Amino acid sequence: QVQLQESGPGLVKPSQTLSLTCTVSGGSISSGDYYWSWIRQPPGKGLEWIGYIYYSGSTYYNPSLKSRITISVDTSKNQFSLKLSSVTAADTAVYYCAREGTIGTTTGAGNFDYWGQGTLVTVSS
Amino acid sequence: EIVLTQSPGTLSLSPGERATLSCRASQSVSSSYLAWYQQKPGQAPRLLIYGASSRATGIPDRFSGSGSGTDFTLTISRLEAEDFAVYYCQQYGSSLYSFGQGTKLEIK
Repeated sequence: QVQLQESGPGLVKPSQTLSLTCTVSGGSISSGDYYWSWIRQPPGKGLEWIGYIYYSGSTYYNPSLKSRITISVDTSKNQFSLKLSSVTAADTAVYYCAREGTIGTTTGAGNFDYWGQGTLVTVSS
Repeated sequence: EIVLTQSPGTLSLSPGERATLSCRASQSVSSSYLAWYQQKPGQAPRLLIYGASSRATGIPDRFSGSGSGTDFTLTISRLEAEDFAVYYCQQYGSSLYSFGQGTKLEIK
């Protein structure tokens, strides 16, 4: 059973960089069958896709956040990470990591079949 | 960017009733790339439906999805107590992903 687990600081000061890591267990990031995404949800609000990474290191980011995002992968640790720079209070949210299949996997592409439990990051001085 | 609009915002029903949730897209969405999720308080979203009408693993058959183009529907045939939650539709197109704002299904 695949599991994803987010980790990182729960409090970040304004203008600093938010850094989170997602550890994947029960499956290998290097299999090449999946894309690995970050998604966030401000308290009481809806979901916003942030970006994804493939095991090869190729990435795609939400254009609305692109200038501030870096997503990286460490296949040796079966982890991928998010950095969001110049944060403001508007970046306060629960951050989820999630898995998306490729064509040919059980649920195919374009949807997120496994999610981490989420981690709340608050931006405040 | 494709905008998804869900209706109603809140749906109040009783256990045993039928729930019909709507998701309308600002432009045509490939049915292959329309999904529905259920989210309960304090939990991550759970994939219910992918490809507009295919149930994810372990999802009861009282959940069904339908639609094409710009209009999609999630139907819960007979509501059970554990079905009261927030439901989101989500689409993928041109390397972008977007979610609807959610429909809250509450007990009447």
